[in-house]
Amino acid sequence: SQTIHQWPATLVQPVGSPLSLECTVEGTSNPNLYWYRQAAGRGLQLLFYSVGIGQISSEVPQNLSASRPQDRQFILSSKKLLLSDSGFYLCAWGWGPYEQYFGPGTRLTVT
Amino acid sequence: SQQGEEDPQALSIQEGENATMNCSYKTSINNLQWYRQNSGRGLVHLILIRSNEREKHSGRLRVTLDTSKKSSSLLITASRAADTASYFCATSLIYNQGGKLIFGQGTELSVKP
Repeated sequence: SQTIHQWPATLVQPVGSPLSLECTVEGTSNPNLYWYRQAAGRGLQLLFYSVGIGQISSEVPQNLSASRPQDRQFILSSKKLLLSDSGFYLCAWGWGPYEQYFGPGTRLTVT
Repeated sequence: SQQGEEDPQALSIQEGENATMNCSYKTSINNLQWYRQNSGRGLVHLILIRSNEREKHSGRLRVTLDTSKKSSSLLITASRAADTASYFCATSLIYNQGGKLIFGQGTELSVKP
């Protein structure tokens, strides 16, 4: 069966510090991968998606970036965090325009 | 504006009652999906309904889709305290690149024992 992991679960970082969030998927090959951000009490905002290794599409211009160095690894990064980067970050995988499977999320607080 | 708008934003009911949540969207879709999120957790896929389907059932869940009105509803029958969560609709657009989904703002359901 497929599983998706995210780490860390929680993170508190000062403004201006770098960020690296990692997501890995097990039990599947060549999935589409997604990074979402969820503000408190709100819906999900799609940040990036990837249909293959090295292929990244950005949905929202911002100071975040994403990379997919391996088929089942998706990384979200920032060189300098802003207060507005605080939120709940969710990674998901899927195939085609169908259901997506979500990881447990990372709660990021920028102080 | 959002592709998916959900109504109501919050719903509080007693255990055993039915809960109905609605979702409206603006652009033609390939399918519409419903997800559930417990507080502080990831989302869990509940049910997918294709654009050529009008109704779908899964256990205590019933989803309807009216493409002429661009709306969908999720009915949870005989609710339980464990159904307390946020529920989101998500649309997959026609000519979708990358399998992207557009999520609504969600309905927060509270089921009181």
